[in-house]
Amino acid sequence: KAGVTQTPRYLIKTRGQQVTLSCSPISGHRSVSWYQQTPGQGLQFLFEYFSETQRNKGNFPGRFSGRQFSNSRSEMNVSTLELGDSALYLCASSPQQGPYTFGSGTRLTVV
Amino acid sequence: GQQLNQSPQSMFIQEGEDVSMNCTSSSIFNTWLWYKQDPGEGPVLLIALYKAGELTSNGRLTAQFGITRKDSFLNISASIPSDVGIYFCAGLSYNTDKLIFGTGTRLQVFP
Repeated sequence: KAGVTQTPRYLIKTRGQQVTLSCSPISGHRSVSWYQQTPGQGLQFLFEYFSETQRNKGNFPGRFSGRQFSNSRSEMNVSTLELGDSALYLCASSPQQGPYTFGSGTRLTVV
Repeated sequence: GQQLNQSPQSMFIQEGEDVSMNCTSSSIFNTWLWYKQDPGEGPVLLIALYKAGELTSNGRLTAQFGITRKDSFLNISASIPSDVGIYFCAGLSYNTDKLIFGTGTRLQVFP
């Protein structure tokens, strides 16, 4: 069974640009969650999607958005990038409610 | 963002020693999860706990779901070099469907 796949693995962007990250969940998993991980703040919940609907949202500004497609694949978008958005972005999937299986993450560096 | 209190923050131990770490919360959780994260990778699920008082083992790892549902601990017996990494607890409440992570315990094992 393939795991959670996140693309790209690494990304370098300039301040002010926007970025889209992709996550393919484990086959059959309908819930996809996104987390931001930084050394200072740890793992912070961004949002969760289930059956194409955002079910939960963390305390992040509106520049962070996401969506889920009918095949459960999910994307997250960050607009008007700031230096502080540099982080490891992790996606996790689950059948409905935990436990969650994580992908390897996308390392975003904003310069 | 919300995080669980996890301690200790870091541990430096000798190979063969036992390790214990714990997580506490002001909120009640229905599920406690323990993850291990290697550098540059996503967290990998070690143990999942679903009932208050539950004690579950996975090889040299043992974890317990606290009776109050507000805490959990993880023990690693006879540590080996590949145990090195960051260990995270995570709590899931069915009311919120959000997985809340602990601050992490960084484990170093010396031969």
